[in-house]
Amino acid sequence: GQQLNQSPQSMFIQEGEDVSMNCTSSSIFNTWLWYKQDPGEGPVLLIALYKAGELTSNGRLTAQFGITRKDSFLNISASIPSDVGIYFCAGPNTGNQFYFGTGTSLTVIP
Amino acid sequence: DTEVTQTPKHLVMGMTNKKSLKCEQHMGHRAMYWYKQKAKKPPELMFVYSYEKLSINESVPSRFSPECPNSSLLNLHLHALQPEDSALYLCASSHPTGRAGDTGELFFGEGSRLTVL
Repeated sequence: GQQLNQSPQSMFIQEGEDVSMNCTSSSIFNTWLWYKQDPGEGPVLLIALYKAGELTSNGRLTAQFGITRKDSFLNISASIPSDVGIYFCAGPNTGNQFYFGTGTSLTVIP
Repeated sequence: DTEVTQTPKHLVMGMTNKKSLKCEQHMGHRAMYWYKQKAKKPPELMFVYSYEKLSINESVPSRFSPECPNSSLLNLHLHALQPEDSALYLCASSHPTGRAGDTGELFFGEGSRLTVL
């Protein structure tokens, strides 16, 4: 199935730094989803975006729905050790299929 | 706390065993999913049930057999698995996508870690 391109693939940052990652697609989406996954656990939905240009925050997380509807961005401000994990973007089609990004692995160094 | 509950959390089985993974959701969702996930990779879709009917089977081997007894429950029956089937199996649910007003949000359970010996 279709896969979304997510970058960077991995990040190693110092605690307190800000983080940016993005997700791009060759197709447009009407919804963009961002998930965080801890090892051995299921992905947890962080932010959902529904409208081109929309900027939505959830605590220290801010995500944007790209104007072209083919991309989305996630920022984490003032990172802390519990931000460690793999972040996935995703988008649904109208046929109950969700396409996932390749993932960004985040390591926060105390 | 997740509203999609999966049991068991861990399962170890031999290649001749028969076992089942179970999933339950109480969010009123009418689409339920099974995904397989290998380490550090995105989830791979296996099956989708929409309104309790199997709507998508991503060419999954017949040793995996899904079942949707009602709108809240989803099972995955396992038989004669291979070691390469060892993975994290994720159940998820959503409102059926494409409906007017649908928000397109997918919610996952905590997963069942399967090891096939």
